[in-house]
Amino acid sequence: GAGVSQSPRYKVAKRGQDVALRCDPISGHVSLFWYQQALGQGPEFLTYFQNEAQLDKSGLPSDRFFAERPEGSVSTLKIQRTQQEDSAVYLCASSGQTGDTEAFFGQGTRLTVV
Amino acid sequence: GESVGLHLPTLSVQEGDNSIINCAYSNSASDYFIWYKQESGKGPQFIIDIRSNMDKRQGQRVTVLLNKTVKHLSLQIAATQPGDSAVYFCAETPNRDDKIIFGKGTRLHILP
Repeated sequence: GAGVSQSPRYKVAKRGQDVALRCDPISGHVSLFWYQQALGQGPEFLTYFQNEAQLDKSGLPSDRFFAERPEGSVSTLKIQRTQQEDSAVYLCASSGQTGDTEAFFGQGTRLTVV
Repeated sequence: GESVGLHLPTLSVQEGDNSIINCAYSNSASDYFIWYKQESGKGPQFIIDIRSNMDKRQGQRVTVLLNKTVKHLSLQIAATQPGDSAVYFCAETPNRDDKIIFGKGTRLHILP
């Protein structure tokens, strides 16, 4: 596709439910990032992949958060047993080459936990 | 901890005037500094970046200035237009293969 695509666009989950958020990066992009953005705040880093390798997961807030990118393209961010504080916009970004700071962001998935 | 932050949460500018958005950073190890624009309901959009060995870089209608002595970064937008209304984030990264750390953002309002 022309840009980074995220789905679903909006997700409402009951507290305790598991959710899976999908990211389709720009075709051929090596690097993929996940960020969490609370209302009125800047994006907070969650995790980073280079191809299928998860190089940094230091930003994942708890072991309820898990991300994968098994074939080095599509990535899924999974949140288990969602809690109200997980409510945020989850942003995915990809960049084409190693050494490229121009990361392209998707529109995000707005997760609301009720 | 080390972070990237902004001085003002909101900036109002008359249409046609120049805008200057400021940012203070604390991580002296960062090698790249980046400005992003985020419109409502959209993801951040790359505007311009600058490497730590530079002090100025120009793009189309935008200029980024880096003052490493006082750890200050600014974005100048020339002839501000209504389409420039957005939240602007400064960000930094230790190197080009690493995560990007965002500051809190400045909302730019364009007055008619």
